[in-house]
Amino acid sequence: EAAVTQSPRSKVAVTGGKVTLSCHQTNNHDYMYWYRQDTGHGLRLIHYSYVADSTEKGDIPDGYKASRPSQENFSLILELASLSQTAVYFCASSPDWGGGDTQYFGPGTRLLVL
Amino acid sequence: GDSVTQTEGLVTLTEGLPVMLNCTYQTIYSNPFLFWYVQHLNESPRLLLKSFTDNKRTEHQGFHATLHKSSSSFHLQKSSAQLSDSALYYCALSGNSAGNKLTFGIGTRVLVRP
Repeated sequence: EAAVTQSPRSKVAVTGGKVTLSCHQTNNHDYMYWYRQDTGHGLRLIHYSYVADSTEKGDIPDGYKASRPSQENFSLILELASLSQTAVYFCASSPDWGGGDTQYFGPGTRLLVL
Repeated sequence: GDSVTQTEGLVTLTEGLPVMLNCTYQTIYSNPFLFWYVQHLNESPRLLLKSFTDNKRTEHQGFHATLHKSSSSFHLQKSSAQLSDSALYYCALSGNSAGNKLTFGIGTRVLVRP
């Protein structure tokens, strides 16, 4: 079974503060993704990466940065946290077998911005 | 861009009765992959089933779906709902192989009652 872990599992942040969410996978997968989950919006892609030291913008990248220092690690950075960024954040990984590959999700991080 | 439309909101079912969750999609790509992910309470999303082949039934864990490109649909069905089927169900689309990016619908919450 694929293994994706996230830290922290929950966090309370202040508006304007910096938040870093971390993700680690032991699947040897090429692709990693960051999603946010909100009621009424489903899962929306923020950033993704297919190789270390390279990241790509997803559908809602504004207000977020991403970093992939190694194949195993992928971070999501909120430089100036805002109330609207309160959500549950999921990291996922997938192999690259030519399309339609399953994404394996981490347990999620619940972020509350006050 | 790609989009996915699902049965919205909460679907309440009685145990033992059939389940059908609607999913339609829009994409410019002629060979999309369609997925159903399921998320139980306090868990992360996980793959339920997926398909690439037109008009072929795909089954897993009692659920089934058939990709119909003519109607751009990928409805999820089960003949007899169980209490354990209570969860959030996401339909998702991968329009091409680049990045294995998924576009999710907003999700359908299913509650199965005795």
